[in-house]
Amino acid sequence: GAGVSQSPSNKVTEKGKDVELRCDPISGHTALYWYRQRLGQGLEFLIYFQGNSAPDKSGLPSDRFSAERTGESVSTLTIQRTQQEDSAVYLCASSRDTYGYTFGSGTRLTVV
Amino acid sequence: RKEVEQDPGPFNVPEGATVAFNCTYSNSASQSFFWYRQDCRKEPKLLMSVYSSGNEDGRFTAQLNRASQYISLLIRDSKLSDSATYLCVVFHSGNTPLVFGKGTRLSVIA
Repeated sequence: GAGVSQSPSNKVTEKGKDVELRCDPISGHTALYWYRQRLGQGLEFLIYFQGNSAPDKSGLPSDRFSAERTGESVSTLTIQRTQQEDSAVYLCASSRDTYGYTFGSGTRLTVV
Repeated sequence: RKEVEQDPGPFNVPEGATVAFNCTYSNSASQSFFWYRQDCRKEPKLLMSVYSSGNEDGRFTAQLNRASQYISLLIRDSKLSDSATYLCVVFHSGNTPLVFGKGTRLSVIA
């Protein structure tokens, strides 16, 4: 597609439930990134996929968070047993080179 | 010390004013630098790269001082549409993700 597509755009879930967030990057972009942005805060790096290399998971805040990417296409970020502190906007970006990021419009997650 | 530090603001300026934002970074080996703009409840978008010699794009001027590990953004003749949060962004090296500052909020007032 023309841009990075994220779904759902909004998600309200009950504490303790699992959620899956999806990111569809720009075609041809080998790199894909997940960031989290809490209300009024900056972007917090979560995980980075580059081609077929092992992902950089150094930003994942706990083992409740995981992400997958199939080849150079769609990625899913899964949060298990959601907590209220997981409430945030989850932003996905893709790039062809090292730093020409294009962000999706994000998934706004609210844990109640 | 945070990797990328910015004054959070807010900066409230009248239309037509000149405003400058500063940013410092902690990793002296950082290679590339950028300013992103984020509108309220929107995703960040690249505003401009920052080059060692300084660079200008219309009303926007970016400067880099590697010795002081300091980056700046100057906006001249501010417009109402410039109201946004400006994110200072640093790239270290190799296969590493961009590091974002928390942003400086600008409100341009009529």
